[in-house]
Amino acid sequence: SQTIHQWPATLVQPVGSPLSLECTVEGTSNPNLYWYRQAAGRGLQLLFYSVGIGQISSEVPQNLSASRPQDRQFILSSKKLLLSDSGFYLCAWSLRGGVRQPQHFGDGTRLSIL
Amino acid sequence: RKEVEQDPGPFNVPEGATVAFNCTYSNSASQSFFWYRQDCRKEPKLLMSVYSSGNEDGRFTAQLNRASQYISLLIRDSKLSDSATYLCVVSRGTGGFKTIFGAGTRLFVKA
Repeated sequence: SQTIHQWPATLVQPVGSPLSLECTVEGTSNPNLYWYRQAAGRGLQLLFYSVGIGQISSEVPQNLSASRPQDRQFILSSKKLLLSDSGFYLCAWSLRGGVRQPQHFGDGTRLSIL
Repeated sequence: RKEVEQDPGPFNVPEGATVAFNCTYSNSASQSFFWYRQDCRKEPKLLMSVYSSGNEDGRFTAQLNRASQYISLLIRDSKLSDSATYLCVVSRGTGGFKTIFGAGTRLFVKA
């Protein structure tokens, strides 16, 4: 069966510091991969998605970036964090095969910016 | 107007009650529909896909009305463990990239 691992679970960072969140998927090949952010009490906002190695699409312009160096690895990064980057970051995967495939989420990373 | 709209609630119901959640979507090109459940400070988890003919999974029944662009989730015989936020999700396009999550409806089931 497929599993998704996301780490760290919790992160406290000062304003202006860099960020790297990592996500890996096991048990499947060529998954679609996604990064979402959920602000406190709000809905999920899609940040990036990827259909393959090195292929990244951004939904919302911001100071974050994403990379997919390997088929089942997705990384979210920032060079300088802002206070507004605080939130719950979720990685998700789905099978190829069109819109009928639901997304499955990792446990999430709770990021607090001080 | 949001592309996917849900009543934020909260819904407060006693154990054993039947509760219904509604969701409307604005883009007629939407192709796939899902209900997710999210517990407090946890990740969303897929509850069920929603098919045109309607579908049932135990105490949960999902309905889709494409003409009215409306999705519903019915929970029968509510349990304390059903307390959570229920997210309506709509997808369109290739690969599910245009996936819109509703803001969710909170449910509290009380003894």
